[in-house]
Amino acid sequence: GQQVMQIPQYQHVQEGEDFTTYCNSSTTLSNIQWYKQRPGGHPVFLIQLVKSGEVKKQKRLTFQFGEAKKNSSLHITATQTTDVGTYFCAGGTSGSRLTFGEGTQLTVNP
Amino acid sequence: NAGVTQTPKFQVLKTGQSMTLQCAQDMNHEYMSWYRQDPGMGLRLIHYSVGAGITDQGEVPNGYNVSRSTTEDFPLRLLSAAPSQTSVYFCASRALNYNEQFFGPGTRLTVL
Repeated sequence: GQQVMQIPQYQHVQEGEDFTTYCNSSTTLSNIQWYKQRPGGHPVFLIQLVKSGEVKKQKRLTFQFGEAKKNSSLHITATQTTDVGTYFCAGGTSGSRLTFGEGTQLTVNP
Repeated sequence: NAGVTQTPKFQVLKTGQSMTLQCAQDMNHEYMSWYRQDPGMGLRLIHYSVGAGITDQGEVPNGYNVSRSTTEDFPLRLLSAAPSQTSVYFCASRALNYNEQFFGPGTRLTVL
C-alpha cells in the first residue's frame, strides 16, 4: 500500500533558527496536506498543495510540492516558541483517503 | 458551530470490554473518519464514511466497527477491547468537495 515517510522524527532548534521537515511518498500523489499538532492537542490543517512544483507561503512558513508529486517540504524561517508542536504531512491519491506521515516533533529553546 | 465533538475525553477499559466512542459534527460534512494515533506512527485511518449509510475500511480496521445513520454522527465501536487498542482516537470530518479536515479533540483510551 501507499507509504508516506517523514524526516526527521525530532528536531530541536534555538529560537530564531530555521527548521525544515521532509515528506516522501512511495507513490505519486494527487495532493499533499500539512497539519500542525500542539502538545496535547489535535491536528490542525495548515495547507494543501495540488500542483507539481507548487510553492505556497504563510508568513514564516514555506511549503513545497515536488515536481514528481512524490515529495514535499515545510520550512519555517526564524522559529519562535509558538512553533512548537508536531508537523504532519498527509498524502492523498485519487480516492478520498489520506495517508499520514509519522510526523516531525519540533521543540524550540528560547 | 461546535465543530467536531468527541466523547468521552478519557476512558479506561479492561481487556474484553466493549464500548462506543462518540463523534458528532455540526458542519454538514459528508466525509467523516476515525484515526488512531500512536507514538512515532502518525495517524492511521481506521474507518471512514462518505455519507449516511456508507462506510468503508481504512488501514487498521480490525477490532472496530462503525455505522453512519445520520450525517452528523459517526460512532466507533470497540467490540472486545485489547491492550493493543490503547491509543488516542481522533474523529475528523470534511466536505466532500474540499479537502481541509477538521479534527475533534480526541479520546485517550487505555486498555488494561
